[in-house]
Amino acid sequence: NAGVTQTPKFQVLKTGQSMTLQCAQDMNHNSMYWYRQDPGMGLRLIYYSASEGTTDKGEVPNGYNVSRLNKREFSLRLESAAPSQTSVYFCASDGVGEQYFGPGTRLTVT
Amino acid sequence: QKEVEQDPGPLSVPEGAIVSLNCTYSNSAFQYFMWYRQYSRKGPELLMYTYSSGNKEDGRFTAQVDKSSKYISLFIRDSQPSDSATYLCAMSDNDYKLSFGAGTTVTVRA
Repeated sequence: NAGVTQTPKFQVLKTGQSMTLQCAQDMNHNSMYWYRQDPGMGLRLIYYSASEGTTDKGEVPNGYNVSRLNKREFSLRLESAAPSQTSVYFCASDGVGEQYFGPGTRLTVT
Repeated sequence: QKEVEQDPGPLSVPEGAIVSLNCTYSNSAFQYFMWYRQYSRKGPELLMYTYSSGNKEDGRFTAQVDKSSKYISLFIRDSQPSDSATYLCAMSDNDYKLSFGAGTTVTVRA
């Protein structure tokens, strides 16, 4: 049972480049989330998907887009990366109020 | 002012000591309260989950919620070096979107 998986684990981008972070869960959860974690800021919600086919903005959505591909997969896209998007990104899925997190993607934008 | 305030520490205690962690919040709609543990360079893992005022115990861990004071606590008894991690409080209302504290880093010295 893998839980929540994320790819890639690490990524370095130049300003203006684009990339997609992938997330998948095998717990049959309806809800999935994308967070970013910065020092001293805790975890901040970027986007979430309450169910397959729906997505909504969180606290810090600017510069990001998401796709809920199916019940298992929820991807996060950076269309034109900026240094302010240097962060650790976590995907989570929700089992009736209890969120389970993936291992994270460390992204550096130079 | 942030919705959830958590003392960032860091906290350093000798092995066997009681660790006390606290969060305060301002949103009276919060009904579900969680504590996550995050080891260095890993994703957060759910430690405790409660939805009512009072105490909940799980082994060496006790979560305490006081809704009237908007205050939650986590106590770790007989702390071990393996408890060294960052502890994040989190809370939500009925929509299950979590608001996190900034996290408290705890080191238990052998």
